[in-house]
Order: sequence, then C-alpha cells, then structure tokens
Amino acid sequence: EVQLVESGGGLVQPGGSLRLSCAVSGFNANGYYIHWVRQAPGKGLEWVGRISDKGHSDTKEYAASVKDRFTVSRDDSKNLVFLQMNSLKTEDTGVYFCSRELSWRCGLWGRGTLVTVSS
Amino acid sequence: DIVMTQSPDSLAVSLGERATINCKSSQSVVHYSHNESYLNWFQQKAGHPPKLLIYWASTRESGVPDRFSGSGSGTDFTLTISSLQSEDVAVYYCQQHYRIPITFGQGTRLEIK
Repeated sequence: EVQLVESGGGLVQPGGSLRLSCAVSGFNANGYYIHWVRQAPGKGLEWVGRISDKGHSDTKEYAASVKDRFTVSRDDSKNLVFLQMNSLKTEDTGVYFCSRELSWRCGLWGRGTLVTVSS
Repeated sequence: DIVMTQSPDSLAVSLGERATINCKSSQSVVHYSHNESYLNWFQQKAGHPPKLLIYWASTRESGVPDRFSGSGSGTDFTLTISSLQSEDVAVYYCQQHYRIPITFGQGTRLEIK
C-alpha cells in the first residue's frame, strides 16, 4: 500500500531537540520530493521544508522560520525521511505532516504526529 | 514570499446550494514554460490531514467528486462547490507551489446554513 506514516512526536522543553520520521511504503522515497508541513493547534497550514529526489541531488529547502534549526534528511536503505528539529520554541508546537510531491502538487499525506514544546 | 489571501474567512451555505471560495496571490503563479498556474486547493476535515482537491488551478484530483471545480489564472482563483453536501463541511486552503517557500492561504471554514 502506498502510504506515509509519521512518528517521533512528543513533549519537549523549549531549547530541546526532536527527530520526526516519515516511513514511506509502496514507493521509493528517493524518487520524489518529500515535504514537511505543520499546523499549530486551531491554526492553518504552514510549509516547513522539503528534500528533493535523488535526481536533483537531495536538495533541501526550508521556511525562514525554521532555517538553521531544522534539517530534512533521508535514509534510502530504510525508505525513511527525517525532520531533525533543534532549538525548539513554543511556537513550533503543532501537528507535523509529511507529504509526497508529484508535478508541483502534494497528493499523498500522512496522518501527522503531534509535537508539543512546553516547559 | 508569495502571500495567499482567501475570502471569505468563513462561509455558511444551504445544502444543495453553491459555495464559492476565492484566493488571491500577491504575484503571478503561472509557470510560463508549462502555461499552468501552480495553484492547488485542499480540503481539511477536523482531525484529518489535508486532501488535495484541485491542482494546476483547475484539474480535479482523481476520485474527487465533479461538484468541485477550480478556475482562474495568474493571481486570482476560485474554488466552487456546485451543490453543497453535508460531507463538504471542512476548512479549505489554497496553496501556491510555484515558488519556495510554498505558501498557503489562511483557510476558509465552510459550514451548513
């Protein structure tokens, strides 16, 4: 079955770190751009970043709000995509979704994992 | 960054009636070599991830009912639900996928009148 499943969310203190995983099944993650999008409680959708396919040299791009704190990476042997989040702030709280891009649109999404940054 | 602005913020429509949501981008999202607007529409129901409804401004995603349609080009876009059904209650987002950072509209909450 073609799907994405996020994991790794939880409660972390401000300034802490967390690594989210996006488990890819039914296709090779390295053949697609994979995005991370988040949603603060009761708020709208915010794009976080993406990693390109292997054919585009695994290029990584980020929103200004997370640049230099978050890193997207991929483990091709395990078909996993990661979001490493450092120096977390309370405003990083929310549900984090991974999604697959095909021709400038993301039609496949995971169900999300909740990250809570609080002391 | 390209700013996406939706109107209205919320909308109440009677069952079977038409619902119209507008989206305006702060700059054109037309990819001239492809002659397509990289504008997508998503539906999000409570507790669920976003669902792609329309891509390239007017192309319906596979499996999406034909009561959903998208129109527009350049900077002005519209999502129309021709005959509202109870299962259409959701928040709807437009998104530009033309330039990084990818940006979303603030969302339009659609309810039954």
